[in-house]
This record gives sequence, structure tokens and C-alpha cells, in this order.
Amino acid sequence: SQQGEEDPQALSIQEGENATMNCSYKTSINNLQWYRQNSGRGLVHLILIRSNEREKHSGRLRVTLDTSKKSSSLLITASRAADTASYFCATDAGGGGATNKLIFGTGTLLAVQP
Amino acid sequence: NAGVTQTPKFQVLKTGQSMTLQCAQDMNHEYMSWYRQDPGMGLRLIHYSVGAGITDQGEVPNGYNVSRSTTEDFPLRLLSAAPSQTSVYFCASSYSRSSSYNSPLHFGNGTRLTVT
Repeated sequence: SQQGEEDPQALSIQEGENATMNCSYKTSINNLQWYRQNSGRGLVHLILIRSNEREKHSGRLRVTLDTSKKSSSLLITASRAADTASYFCATDAGGGGATNKLIFGTGTLLAVQP
Repeated sequence: NAGVTQTPKFQVLKTGQSMTLQCAQDMNHEYMSWYRQDPGMGLRLIHYSVGAGITDQGEVPNGYNVSRSTTEDFPLRLLSAAPSQTSVYFCASSYSRSSSYNSPLHFGNGTRLTVT
């Protein structure tokens, strides 16, 4: 069963605009991660936010986490054509700890038009 | 470092055939796992291993076997391929240390399998 569900399923924006993707999950977590997948490639880790953190930044990425609503958002600022990819949130199974047994959502397909 | 290497990149099988998808990592990661990715389904965990000699089932283990004889290698075996196993398969690895901290996963580039 899916732990995370991303919204929207697809998003098309112009270069320079901001892109926001949301993720909802069902059970308690230790942390939440976001990954990017370029077409035909494996997933690449972007950022990890722990359950006791509310916001985290990495370059043009900003991630928020609301454990009371069981939701997270990924904001990409000043988007570029190279940001075109699918984005996935992933959570552990709530106490997954050292097993790293991550459950992925269905992803948001982001298209950045030049 | 090569990271996580998966072979082959593409494979076509007939129903009932068997094959092994190879996965190797050179980062000395304890944790390794196999996912399948299907359209609209995201990634689903097939099997995982927290160290050599230790494996466990994920969400969709039926039809797949794994073993972990070394830290570096984690092959996935399809004993009798079925069309429902047509998918893209990803191997991933990570460190496995703290009881409360999940290390990021490092992914290979996938094996695209078609079963006819």
C-alpha cells in the first residue's frame, strides 16, 4: 500500500517560476525524503527532513513538514528547464529506523518550459 | 566510485523463463533493496537486506527470490517470469546505522524487463 501520495500528478510551469509539490502520508514517520527522477534514470536523493523539523532548505529547494497533518511540500524556486523530472516523496514505515525500508509515493511529473 | 551498478539495462523474456538481475555497489553499504516501478504505481519494495546473509520481504515479494552472500552484491531472481512482472526494476543501497535515522538511498539506473 502507498504511504505517500503526491499532488499534483503533473505540473507544467515556465522557466523562472516556482514549483510546489505536496505529499501526504498515512502513518507516523521518523523522517521524510524527496527524490528526483529524470527520464530513463534512477532516483536521486534531494533532501531529508526529520520528524522534529518543520522546514529545511537546500539551494533552490525548500521542504516543509507538518506532522499534525501528515503532509509535506517541496518548493523549487526559480525553476530551470533542467528541473524537468518526476519528484517523489518517501517515508519510512514509522519506526523503520535502521532498515531504511522506504515507501514511495506515486510522484509528481514536473515540466519546466523554456 | 561507480555507485550502484545494475545489469542488464534491458531484457526481454518469454513467459516461464528464469533470469537474474544483477546489482552491485562499491560504497560498502549495509542496506540494499529492490523496487519495481510501474506507471501510476510509484515504486514498490520487493525485497531488502540489512546486511550479508540477511534478507526480508517487502510489499510485493511474490515471484522473486534474493540472496545476499556479500556486502557488495544483491541479485534478484525471477524463477518463472510472468507478463505481470513486466516493469522497471531498481536496486538501491544505503548506510544503515542509527536506529532513528534513515540514510538516503542511492539508486542504480534500472533494468527494463519485458515478459511476453
